[in-house]
Amino acid sequence: EDKVVQSPLSLVVHEGDTVTLNCSYEVTNFRSLLWYKQEKKAPTFLFMLTSSGIEKKSGRLSSILDKKELFSILNITATQTGDSAVYLCAVGGGSQGNLIFGKGTKLSVKP
Amino acid sequence: DSGVTQTPKHLITATGQRVTLRCSPRSGDLSVYWYQQSLDQGLQFLIQYYNGEERAKGNILERFSAQQFPDLHSELNLSSLELGDSALYFCASSVSLAGRLDTQYFGPGTRLTVL
Repeated sequence: EDKVVQSPLSLVVHEGDTVTLNCSYEVTNFRSLLWYKQEKKAPTFLFMLTSSGIEKKSGRLSSILDKKELFSILNITATQTGDSAVYLCAVGGGSQGNLIFGKGTKLSVKP
Repeated sequence: DSGVTQTPKHLITATGQRVTLRCSPRSGDLSVYWYQQSLDQGLQFLIQYYNGEERAKGNILERFSAQQFPDLHSELNLSSLELGDSALYFCASSVSLAGRLDTQYFGPGTRLTVL
């Protein structure tokens, strides 16, 4: 059965800290791995990774994919209270060819 | 704003009733996906339509059905509602069926409460 596992489930840090969120997967017919940020409403797209070892970066956020070891990490440096959210990892592939979501990591950034 | 719209934002109804949720995809997107998000289950894929045709089914109950119309908007019909159907229902859209561009853009969701 296809699955996506995120860790930790929740994390509390202080402003200025650096955090690393993990996503491991076992998905047949892998095509891509996506990260989303979900605050109170809809998930908003952050990154899509398709090639192993390539880092995607946007400001203080960066992500890398290891297709050999079947995992990805999302790094956030110099965290701010506005980074508080649930971060979702999703893998495109599987028997249906759609996105399979992990349960998310809830990040709380304290001032 | 992702460009995906969903109505209504909130819906409160009673057990046994039937409701219809509506979604309009981003301009140019042909695929529409429906998801259910509850506190303990996370985001669960329900069903996908591409250009009017059903393309993939996930964990969708038989009491639920969907369709995509010629103008590409989609509706999710939930019938014989039970308390456990209370959840956030998201619609997402993407450009292609199953090509390289898997990025799905999510609408704001409909919060369904079944009393």
